[in-house]
Amino acid sequence: EPEVTQTPSHQVTQMGQEVILRCVPISNHLYFYWYRQILGQKVEFLVSFYNNEISEKSEIFDDQFSVERPDGSNFTLKIRSTKLEDSAMYFCASSRMTSGIDEQFFGPGTRLTVL
Amino acid sequence: RKEVEQDPGPFNVPEGATVAFNCTYSNSASQSFFWYRQDCRKEPKLLMSVYSSGNEDGRFTAQLNRASQYISLLIRDSKLSDSATYLCVVNGVTGGGNKLTFGTGTQLKVEL
Repeated sequence: EPEVTQTPSHQVTQMGQEVILRCVPISNHLYFYWYRQILGQKVEFLVSFYNNEISEKSEIFDDQFSVERPDGSNFTLKIRSTKLEDSAMYFCASSRMTSGIDEQFFGPGTRLTVL
Repeated sequence: RKEVEQDPGPFNVPEGATVAFNCTYSNSASQSFFWYRQDCRKEPKLLMSVYSSGNEDGRFTAQLNRASQYISLLIRDSKLSDSATYLCVVNGVTGGGNKLTFGTGTQLKVEL
């Protein structure tokens, strides 16, 4: 069964450093998303991406965040200058369509720890 | 009012019990509704979509009441493997495309 993959599974970084989280969505999916979950809190939407541009972003997704699809398979989330409060689990997701009822498939997540 | 609100639990039930979870959402224009399951430190996984007519998948039954903005999940004959956090998820709460809005989740522990 096809699945979304993410690397690394765990990233530890110093405050102020840049990190890039990587995702490989399911191959025939066209819509890509990033969500985050701070420990003990709910899953929160960050950004959606389609046709090489951002479709929607949340208030969390400020100028420190960016997304890119550098090639035909990878989808990345970059945090330019990490803060302590960026520590969270980051989930990538993908879907075939954006019809609303179409399932979003989630990757296993990258646990980001900012020291 | 929170966008998606759930009782956090935990619900501790014996194996074989029937358990029901409830959820309310704030935006009457919301389009699609789901229950996801999340195991500890794992990704959310779709359990089932929720339709106005109600739908059933084996031991799981989901109901939607648009007038009350209320969603429910019923688990019959609960198994140890059902222990997880159940997430109520709504699409389009704030009017944006395919953005999923999650509740905080209800924790279920099924015990022997």
